Amino acid sequence: DTGVSQDPRHKITKRGQNVTFRCDPISEHNRLYWYRQTLGQGPEFLTYFQNEAQLEKSRLLSDRFSAERPKGSFSTLEIQRTEQGDSAMYLCASSRRGAINTEAFFGQGTRLTVV
Amino acid sequence: AQSVTQLGSHVSVSEGALVLLRCNYSSSVPPYLFWYVQYPNQGLQLLLKYTSAATLVKGINGFEAEFKKSETSFHLTKPSAHMSDAAEYFCAVSAASTGGGNKLTFGTGTQLKVEL
Repeated sequence: DTGVSQDPRHKITKRGQNVTFRCDPISEHNRLYWYRQTLGQGPEFLTYFQNEAQLEKSRLLSDRFSAERPKGSFSTLEIQRTEQGDSAMYLCASSRRGAINTEAFFGQGTRLTVV
Repeated sequence: AQSVTQLGSHVSVSEGALVLLRCNYSSSVPPYLFWYVQYPNQGLQLLLKYTSAATLVKGINGFEAEFKKSETSFHLTKPSAHMSDAAEYFCAVSAASTGGGNKLTFGTGTQLKVEL
């Protein structure tokens, strides 16, 4: 069990640029979640996948955001035309399917700074 | 809809003193409740969870929490604080059974400071 891995850990980008983050979940986990955490706040749900299917998206996920999980393994989160308000920690988590003993395990996050 | 409220954004205790971090939840369906800890520039680590079994839940690092349905509370306690407990703590709720996966709704967090 190598845990949830996120890459990169830090990203600084200029406003208007596109960025892409990657998340590798724990191998036997078929659910994958993306959260966003701004300074002084708790994580906010963005979207989740069960295998390759994106089953729910938060209204926080504007049309500039897109997430994929093409083969049900790793996932990418892309932000197009970044804005300063996108600066945040982006957290990925994974869990097994089911109602019991399915706690989410979090990666260390990708901190995005838009300048 | 579900939500959690964490009372006190900052809590300061002396080393060896009791730690009490408060969390109240709101849920229209039976909830699962969680406490996570976050160290600076790190992800979240699960401390403990309530999933409708025992109401008193023991977690890692000596922490425990009690689910009180009548008070809609799930407060986190530790009998004796250690310097290494200094971190941010988040309470979270999910629906016990949902077609929306096990997504979590978090509180705004409580920063715990431990003083000598």
